[in-house]
Amino acid sequence: DIVMTQTPVSLSVTPGQPASISCKSSQSLLHSDGKSYLYWYLQKPGQPPQLLIYESSNRFSGVPDRFSGSGSGTYFTLKISRVEAEDVGVYFCMQTLHLPTFGQGTKLEI
Amino acid sequence: EVQLVASGGGLVQPGGSLRLSCTASGFSFSTYWMNWVRQAPGKGLEWVANINQDGSEKNYVDSVKGRFTISRDNAKNSLYLQMNSLRDEDTAVYYCVRGIHYWGQGTLVTVSS
Repeated sequence: DIVMTQTPVSLSVTPGQPASISCKSSQSLLHSDGKSYLYWYLQKPGQPPQLLIYESSNRFSGVPDRFSGSGSGTYFTLKISRVEAEDVGVYFCMQTLHLPTFGQGTKLEI
Repeated sequence: EVQLVASGGGLVQPGGSLRLSCTASGFSFSTYWMNWVRQAPGKGLEWVANINQDGSEKNYVDSVKGRFTISRDNAKNSLYLQMNSLRDEDTAVYYCVRGIHYWGQGTLVTVSS
């Protein structure tokens, strides 16, 4: 199984300031098609996860442009350029190159 | 609008069985891989199983192999998870997920004596 390791475990950010979350995989997530099968989700309190970023760096429909994803191979980053109050929750990375596995989550607080 | 409504959760004793259902609407159900993902209370996410468009390919996390069976009925736009020999550690909210994009609200399964 591919193990996904997220850092930090928690993050406290002042509104308007940037935030960054890292996700490291135990194996490269780069497919022969050139895509990295790494996804980012936000789970707001009491809700199911919602997709933010797919294939490492593509924003999903309706996701604000303050969210961006980068990385390839085994190291990936989610950045929020200016945190807003509605961004609180737990962020998860997930890989689907092999059977899906998730990172343990990063809790973002304001 | 994509909708995924999971049902069938509840309280069951260890060793018991439950069948979860997920009714899909707002998209062409038969053209998507479908997944079950679970989340134990206060914990992270764990992928449980998935199934391809026509049901000919199924995959499971090791911890449920031989106990859980995923299936689908494209005529009814429905996804299922038959859970047998349930254990305390199967207690979780079970989410029905279309591909990797859309998640339903989930249904709570509690395994306890």
